[in-house]
Amino acid sequence: DQQVKQNSPSLSVQEGRISILNCDYTNSMFDYFLWYKKYPAEGPTFLISISSIKDKNEDGRFTVFLNKSAKHLSLHIVPSQPGDSAVYFCAAGGSNYKLTFGKGTLLTVNP
Amino acid sequence: EAQVTQNPRYLITVTGKKLTVTCSQNMNHEYMSWYRQDPGLGLRQIYYSMNVEVTDKGDVPEGYKVSRKEKRNFPLILESPSPNQTSLYFCASSLHLGTQYFGPGTRLTVL
Repeated sequence: DQQVKQNSPSLSVQEGRISILNCDYTNSMFDYFLWYKKYPAEGPTFLISISSIKDKNEDGRFTVFLNKSAKHLSLHIVPSQPGDSAVYFCAAGGSNYKLTFGKGTLLTVNP
Repeated sequence: EAQVTQNPRYLITVTGKKLTVTCSQNMNHEYMSWYRQDPGLGLRQIYYSMNVEVTDKGDVPEGYKVSRKEKRNFPLILESPSPNQTSLYFCASSLHLGTQYFGPGTRLTVL
C-alpha cells in the first residue's frame, strides 16, 4: 500500500509561471514532510520541509502547503525557471527516522 | 566538504557473484539508509541504521544485507545478486529527524 502518492508523473509549465506539485499521504502518524529535487545522474537534494504543526513554509521561490485534514501537501514554485526542471520527490516521516517517498513528478519548465 | 560518498558509482556483475557497495559520510550523522530507485517506483528504502550496531529493515530488504560497525560507514551487501536487483542505489545520512543527505548513486547491473 502506497503511503505517499504523487499522482502526476509529469508536469510541464512555462518559464515565469507557477509550478504546483501535489502529494497525498495516508498515514496520519507522519509528522513532518519534505520535498527533494533530483537531477539526472545525481542524488536527491533537500529542497524544503514542513512540520505537521504548520500549514505553510516558505523559502524564496518555494512554498510548501500542508492540509492535514485532507492529508495533502503541495509545493509551489514561483516563478518557475528552466533550471527547476528535475524530478521532485515528496517524502514523509514519523518518529523513527524512516522516510517514505512518493514516486516522483518530472517537472519540465519550458523557456 | 560535508558529503556522502558511494563506491563504486557504476558496476556490472553476473548473477550470484557477491558484491559490496560502500557508503561513507563525514558529517558524524547517526542515521544512515539505503534506497533503490526504479522507473515508475520512485525511491524505496532497503535498510536503515539509527546508530552503530543498530540496523532495521526498510520496505524492500530481501536479497540485501547491511552492517554498521562504525558511525561513518554503512556498506550494502548483495550475497547472491539477481537481475531483479539491477537498479540505481542511493545511500543517505542525517543527524536527526528530517533532512537526509544523499550520495551520488551507484548504478548496478546484474546480468
